[in-house]
Order: sequence, then C-alpha cells, then structure tokens
Amino acid sequence: DTAVSQTPKYLVTQMGNDKSIKCEQNLGHDTMYWYKQDSKKFLKIMFSYNNKELIINETVPNRFSPKSPDKAHLNLHINSLELGDSAVYFCASSPRVASGAEQYFGPGTRLTVT
Amino acid sequence: AQSVAQPEDQVNVAEGNPLTVKCTYSVSGNPYLFWYVQYPNRGLQFLLKYITGDNLVKGSYGFEAEFNKSQTSFHLKKPSALVSDSALYFCAVRDAIAGTASKLTFGTGTQLKVEL
Repeated sequence: DTAVSQTPKYLVTQMGNDKSIKCEQNLGHDTMYWYKQDSKKFLKIMFSYNNKELIINETVPNRFSPKSPDKAHLNLHINSLELGDSAVYFCASSPRVASGAEQYFGPGTRLTVT
Repeated sequence: AQSVAQPEDQVNVAEGNPLTVKCTYSVSGNPYLFWYVQYPNRGLQFLLKYITGDNLVKGSYGFEAEFNKSQTSFHLKKPSALVSDSALYFCAVRDAIAGTASKLTFGTGTQLKVEL
C-alpha cells in the first residue's frame, strides 16, 4: 500500500490555466505538507495543515490555494499558472505537528508550464 | 531564523571506502535533525534523525550520523559506500520549541556519487 500518494505524477499545461494536484495519505497522520522543489533541487515548504487547519502558510502567491477536506487529504489548486511555477511539488505527512517525528513524502508531481 | 548548510554540492567516493556528507545547522532552541535521501525521479526517503540522547544515531541502509552541539554539525557517514548509495542527500532541521508553526528547513542537498 502506498503511504503518501499524489496525482497526477506529471502535469503539462499552458500559462494562464488553472490546475489541481491531489494528495492522500493512509498513515493516519494528523499533519500534511506541500513542498516545492525547484530546478536546482532546492526544497521549500509552502503550506502545512494539522487536522484540516492551516498552520503554516509561507510567502506563497495567492494563486496557490491548499484545501484539506479531511485529515487524510490535502489538495493544491493553482490559478493562472506562470512559467515560474514549473517545479516538482511534493506532498508529505507526519504523525503530529511540532514533534520530532519524521515526515513521509509522496512521489512528487512534476509540473511543467509552457 | 533556522538554517541548514551543506557545503558540498557533490561528494565522490570509491565503492568500499567510507563516506561523509557534511551538514551544519542554526536554530534558536534545541534542534531536531534529519537526513533524507532522494533517488532520481522519486520522493524523499527518511534515513535517520537526532531528537535527544546519544549523539551517534544509526539509520537505514547502514548510515549513521553524529550530532555535535558545539560545532552545530550533524554529518552523515557510512563505513563502506555502495554504488547504490549514489543519490541526493538532504539534511534538515526544525526547532524543538517553536510550537505548532515549527517547520522543517532543508539544506541545498549534496549529490553523492559512488564509483567502482
């Protein structure tokens, strides 16, 4: 069973479009995250949810909107896509917030904006 | 603000030789320290962590890391490298007392290349 899954794995779209990436974890974790990995492999947190509540919101453009319908799911919707949004987006989860527990990462969604 | 430095973009080592991937950190309080590995076109996999206790922590695939508080370092080591260890390695830190807003900060990654 896949612990943290993301769909789609690849996403190619044109500038100005709106797209969504979905994430699901079957680990029973309370906390979920979205990270962005750029072309230089630099990894930066975007958002974090704990039991469906937004607890971390980094300096991310308003075009990015996360939604957590329940604690097992965290989706990322991106409006008006720009070339600079091209990156790999990783979802992750951990048992609880503010702890020493490690995070479990999904396989990533490679977004290419043309 | 917390930060992590991985001073080497790439480390090359011969198979069978020991390897070290360096990491130094900066946090306000006590650190929780982690090492992750990323294989091509894959997500990050957890290797090991330091929370408290023994400064030498052992993890997956024969890796270990030593926490050194005075040098604010958490170097990753393995006594005998394998070609299959070739991957991108990330060190990460979070502040143990930062509360619910505590976040994991990653280093820039070190590409490990193990050659025959």
